[in-house]
Amino acid sequence: NAGVMQNPRHLVRRRGQEARLRCSPMKGHSHVYWYRQLPEEGLKFMVYLQKENIIDESGMPKERFSAEFPKEGPSILRIQQVVRGDSAAYFCASSPSNLRAPDTQYFGPGTRLTVL
Amino acid sequence: QKEVEQDPGPLSVPEGAIVSLNCTYSNSAFQYFMWYRQYSRKGPELLMYTYSSGNKEDGRFTAQVDKSSKYISLFIRDSQPSDSATYLCASQGTGNQFYFGTGTSLTVIP
Repeated sequence: NAGVMQNPRHLVRRRGQEARLRCSPMKGHSHVYWYRQLPEEGLKFMVYLQKENIIDESGMPKERFSAEFPKEGPSILRIQQVVRGDSAAYFCASSPSNLRAPDTQYFGPGTRLTVL
Repeated sequence: QKEVEQDPGPLSVPEGAIVSLNCTYSNSAFQYFMWYRQYSRKGPELLMYTYSSGNKEDGRFTAQVDKSSKYISLFIRDSQPSDSATYLCASQGTGNQFYFGTGTSLTVIP
């Protein structure tokens, strides 16, 4: 059973371009969480999605950032008009349900975004 | 004030030493307390978690939570070079959101 997949693993964008980060949850998982990890700041929650629904986006910046988890295909975190401050590692995690026990949530390997 | 505070280290110990990693949290509503290990350029991996107060032991690892002082600890006995990684503490309250510390970088020297 493959784990959480994220691609690309590394992404380089110039300022003003768009970045699309993809997350394929573990088989049987229908809940996805996105986190951002900045140096010296630790992991920060961004958004929690179920298939076709955004459940909690309290950690998402108000502008330029959006996320979706369509009925078919991976979850997408989209960053429009990237700026240097968006450079970070972006991790997604998936779980099979909205059960809150931590051992149901598995992290992917992350996408490292560099904005030139 | 951050929800979870963690000393970033770095921490360097000789092989076989006992390692103590600590965090504090601010929200008394937090119920789950977790420790993750993260190797360089990898995603976090759950080591262990506790619910509410108390101790939990798993092999060489022991997690402790003291809700009265809002203190979270992870002890590693007989540390090994393979334990070298960044250790993240995290807490979870009534929702699905996890709050992470900044991580403590640990190096175990052979």
